[in-house]
Amino acid sequence: DAGITQSPRHKVTETGTPVTLRCHQTENHRYMYWYRQDPGHGLRLIHYSYGVKDTDKGEVSDGYSVSRSKTEDFLLTLESATSSQTSVYFCAISEGDAANYGYTFGSGTRLTVV
Amino acid sequence: AQKITQTQPGMFVQEKEAVTLDCTYDTSDPSYGLFWYKQPSSGEMIFLIYQGSYDQQNATEGRYSLNFQKARKSANLVISASQLGDSAMYFCAMREVSYGGATNKLIFGTGTLLAVQP
Repeated sequence: DAGITQSPRHKVTETGTPVTLRCHQTENHRYMYWYRQDPGHGLRLIHYSYGVKDTDKGEVSDGYSVSRSKTEDFLLTLESATSSQTSVYFCAISEGDAANYGYTFGSGTRLTVV
Repeated sequence: AQKITQTQPGMFVQEKEAVTLDCTYDTSDPSYGLFWYKQPSSGEMIFLIYQGSYDQQNATEGRYSLNFQKARKSANLVISASQLGDSAMYFCAMREVSYGGATNKLIFGTGTLLAVQP
């Protein structure tokens, strides 16, 4: 079984509607991250969490909010979706935050805002 | 501020040949980690190789090796004996230890799209 799953895998939504993406892990890792991937930009950090109810902003956090009420779930919410938020969203987890810890990624969510 | 630069948006290589994907980084911190990830057309992100800033030897993982030149701040990925299945997007990433912050994050380059030709 995959240690990290994202849902939904694909979503089409209308401008102005709220959208919530879910990231679920079974690894009991403390650190969780949300990135978006856009052509020419690589992966950019939206928000991250370093524990239950402990979250902080990344470099592209405007228009997004997150919540982490338990270790295994990290939710990303677009309060009012815009076309500029059409992207592929990746959740990642990390066992530690020292320099030698990499990420394990979820499979991604392709979000289209029309 | 830390930064990762991948200057090759796309590359071609013939099957069975070696290819080098470039990555340069910028950091003022002495402790950092460098990572390469592969993203095939199916979309998942696959970890390939890791190099620590204090490691004396270049990292190797099967057909992948990391040409780490610390003074030049470069961490190029070398793929030997390319295979058709190596066709993918490749991302270089760095994690540095920033004391005082909530946590240390990976930052990514913009990626290099590699096409292996038969």
